[in-house]
Amino acid sequence: AQSVAQPEDQVNVAEGNPLTVKCTYSVSGNPYLFWYVQYPNRGLQFLLKYITGDNLVKGSYGFEAEFNKSQTSFHLKKPSALVSDSALYFCAVRDMGSGGGADGLTFGKGTHLIIQP
Amino acid sequence: DVKVTQSSRYLVKRTGEKVFLECVQDMDHENMFWYRQDPGLGLRLIYFSYDVKMKEKGDIPEGYSVSREKKERFSLILESASTNQTSMYLCASSWTVSTNEKLFFGSGTQLSVL
Repeated sequence: AQSVAQPEDQVNVAEGNPLTVKCTYSVSGNPYLFWYVQYPNRGLQFLLKYITGDNLVKGSYGFEAEFNKSQTSFHLKKPSALVSDSALYFCAVRDMGSGGGADGLTFGKGTHLIIQP
Repeated sequence: DVKVTQSSRYLVKRTGEKVFLECVQDMDHENMFWYRQDPGLGLRLIYFSYDVKMKEKGDIPEGYSVSREKKERFSLILESASTNQTSMYLCASSWTVSTNEKLFFGSGTQLSVL
């Protein structure tokens, strides 16, 4: 079985400071990892994904995420937070050995990111 | 840009009613999905479809059914709505069955069952 944990329900960061949203995962094989963002009253938008290769993945809106296999983590980061980054962030994992489609994708419970002016 | 459109942003229904949630995508995607989103529970997969007239159960299919008569349209049906089906419903689509494909989401339908 595979799972995703987002240990923080909410993260508060002052504008201009670096931010980190944590995600850890568990899969039997190797993972594909995703981050999505949900702005108020909107659907989820894709931010970035890790498939293979470089452990540091760059995505939309200046976000990046670092894959750490030994710690089974895929934390989302941004060097300088903006108030407009305030949203709900979801981490998701899929086992590379799964059958594909939707049946292998597991989402975390989400982390509210609040950027204070 | 890919567009996934859900027909209603808000719906209010009564217990026992039959409810239809409609979703249309405009990019010829093979796969379509229905999730429900609840606070503290994240996203949970209800049903998905790889092709026209094809459907597969997700993690929580009980109380729901789906229909995919055309490639671009995927409908979620609540045969007899109950209060525990009050939730945000999200439709999504993707190109292929590849395991590294991202999902494109609609804006969601907030359903309240009274």
